[in-house]
Amino acid sequence: DIVMTQSPDSLAVSLGERAAIKCRSSQNVLYRSNNKNYLSWYQQKPGQPPRLLIYWASTRESGVPDRFSGSGSGTDFTLTISSLQAEDVAIYYCQQYYSVPWTFGQGTKVEIK
Amino acid sequence: EVQLVESGGGLIQPGGSLRLSCAASGFTFSDYWMHWVRQVPGKGLVWVSRINVDERSTAYADSVKGRFTISRDNRKNTLYLQMNRLRAEDTAVYYCARGGDFVDWYLDLWGRGTLVTVSS
Repeated sequence: DIVMTQSPDSLAVSLGERAAIKCRSSQNVLYRSNNKNYLSWYQQKPGQPPRLLIYWASTRESGVPDRFSGSGSGTDFTLTISSLQAEDVAIYYCQQYYSVPWTFGQGTKVEIK
Repeated sequence: EVQLVESGGGLIQPGGSLRLSCAASGFTFSDYWMHWVRQVPGKGLVWVSRINVDERSTAYADSVKGRFTISRDNRKNTLYLQMNRLRAEDTAVYYCARGGDFVDWYLDLWGRGTLVTVSS
């Protein structure tokens, strides 16, 4: 199984400041035939289901604010919130869909400092 | 409205069985791979199972293999998860989620979940 490890487990950022969450996969999730990284990011607020933010490691889902961006390739990825807003308080998960069983990172809790 | 609505959760004794349903609406259900993901309250997301568009391909997490069965009825736009020999560690909120159309990939639509509690 591909193990997904996120860091940090939690972070507190001031409003308007940048937040960065890292995700590392134990195996490469870049599919060379199409040059796509099979990596997505989700946001989950309390009492709500997860919401897709980013797929193919860097493609923003429709309706997601452009302060959210994804980067990285192979085994190392980053979700960046360029200017943290109050509504961004949530837990963020990375997930690989390169191979079954699909696996999620343990989650990173983002709070306001 | 494009949505997924789970049902069928509840309190069940260890060793018992439960069938979850997920009703899809607002999109062509038969075109999409579908998944179940679970989450123990306060904990992280764990992928459980997936099924392709015509039920010919299914996959399971090792923790549920041989006990859970995923299926779908494309005429009823409904996804199912039959859970047998339930254990305390199966207690979780179960989400259904939509994968790719014809090719499986990221989960772009999630239901609100249904809580399964396994306890005597």
